[in-house]
Amino acid sequence: GAVVSQHPSWVICKSGTSVKIECRSLDFQATTMFWYRQFPKQSLMLMATSNEGSKATYEQGVEKDKFLINHASLTLSTLTVTSAHPEDSSFYICSARELAGVVYEQYFGPGTRLTVT
Amino acid sequence: AQSVTQPDIHITVSEGASLELRCNYSYGATPYLFWYVQSPGQGLQLLLKYFSGDTLVQGIKGFEAEFKRSQSSFNLRKPSVHWSDAAEYFCAVEGFGNEKLTFGTGTRLTIIP
Repeated sequence: GAVVSQHPSWVICKSGTSVKIECRSLDFQATTMFWYRQFPKQSLMLMATSNEGSKATYEQGVEKDKFLINHASLTLSTLTVTSAHPEDSSFYICSARELAGVVYEQYFGPGTRLTVT
Repeated sequence: AQSVTQPDIHITVSEGASLELRCNYSYGATPYLFWYVQSPGQGLQLLLKYFSGDTLVQGIKGFEAEFKRSQSSFNLRKPSVHWSDAAEYFCAVEGFGNEKLTFGTGTRLTIIP
């Protein structure tokens, strides 16, 4: 089946620094990828839709200048958390969309645990 | 706008007992419905999905779900749970032509011996 990887799986950074998270579709091409954020014991909240070769579409309330998304190829999307603060600590999950028959299906990465100190 | 409600935050079931996790959705037309499972610190794994046709869908790991349009429900069931089924379960809905998934708040399943 379709596999999506994320790197790193966990990262600790100091407040004020930036951190980049990679999301890769390993065995398929994904024109569309999604970035989610999940707080402890809560559901996934969609942050943005990443489209290959174009600007990402952000959900209401998500700061596009803080969460930079780049989808430079059909297998790679990156999320950069700029000037990170402790409140940005969270579990970030990406997914990649692939056509499964006549409808699209999302395949999820294993997630990245970000801790900002 | 589409939405999903999972009324049960936490369910505890004895190993070998049957399981039903509830999911209600709100959407103006026939939605695409999904159940995902998440183990601690992990991403999501798709258990099953409904797009059209037979309203009883079979998934992996012995799970099944039934789409009931009259009740706007898509409940997940398993006849006999195993200790390895302990995890967080999320129901999700995608509207036709709207590529975004909307997730419920999740149900945490605990299995007792």
